[in-house]
Amino acid sequence: DVKVTQSSRYLVKRTGEKVFLECVQDMDHENMFWYRQDPGLGLRLIYFSYDVKMKEKGDIPEGYSVSREKKERFSLILESASTNQTSMYLCASSSLGTDTQYFGPGTRLTVL
Amino acid sequence: AQSVTQLGSHVSVSEGALVLLRCNYSSSVPPYLFWYVQYPNQGLQLLLKYTSAATLVKGINGFEAEFKKSETSFHLTKPSAHMSDAAEYFCAVTMNSGYSTLTFGKGTMLLVSP
Repeated sequence: DVKVTQSSRYLVKRTGEKVFLECVQDMDHENMFWYRQDPGLGLRLIYFSYDVKMKEKGDIPEGYSVSREKKERFSLILESASTNQTSMYLCASSSLGTDTQYFGPGTRLTVL
Repeated sequence: AQSVTQLGSHVSVSEGALVLLRCNYSSSVPPYLFWYVQYPNQGLQLLLKYTSAATLVKGINGFEAEFKKSETSFHLTKPSAHMSDAAEYFCAVTMNSGYSTLTFGKGTMLLVSP
């Protein structure tokens, strides 16, 4: 079974802090994705990556950056957290040439 | 460009009743279509997907969906709801390239009453 894990289920941070959200997949998938999920808005793509050290902006990249130094790991970085970044963050991965994405359990981030 | 519209943010059914969750899509190329389910405090799990083979697609837990090109629809159905089906359901669309991203609908919360 594909397994996508995220470093924390719940996280509370202060405004202005630098926040790292980690995602690891164990199926040697080339593609990895970061979404945020908000009530009534569904899932919105923040960033994605098709290969190591490669990144592409999604629909809402402002205020975020990413890092992919190893194939299995994709990190989402909030350089200076703000209260409007309070949300559920979901990581996903997929194999090159397929469209089916496999999701992690999510990290619920609260910025105070 | 591609988009998905899910009609109804909440759908309520009684246990044993038919489940119908609506999804309409817009895509400039023949689409691949997906339904995902999210149980409380969990990530998304794939229910089923349409990839241009059979128009009637069967998924897990007794769900199925029918691709209707003329109506640009991909509605999700289940003949008889169980309490355990209570969850949020997301429809998603992508171009069938294997390199494109998924565009999700806003989700429909399914409520099942005894």
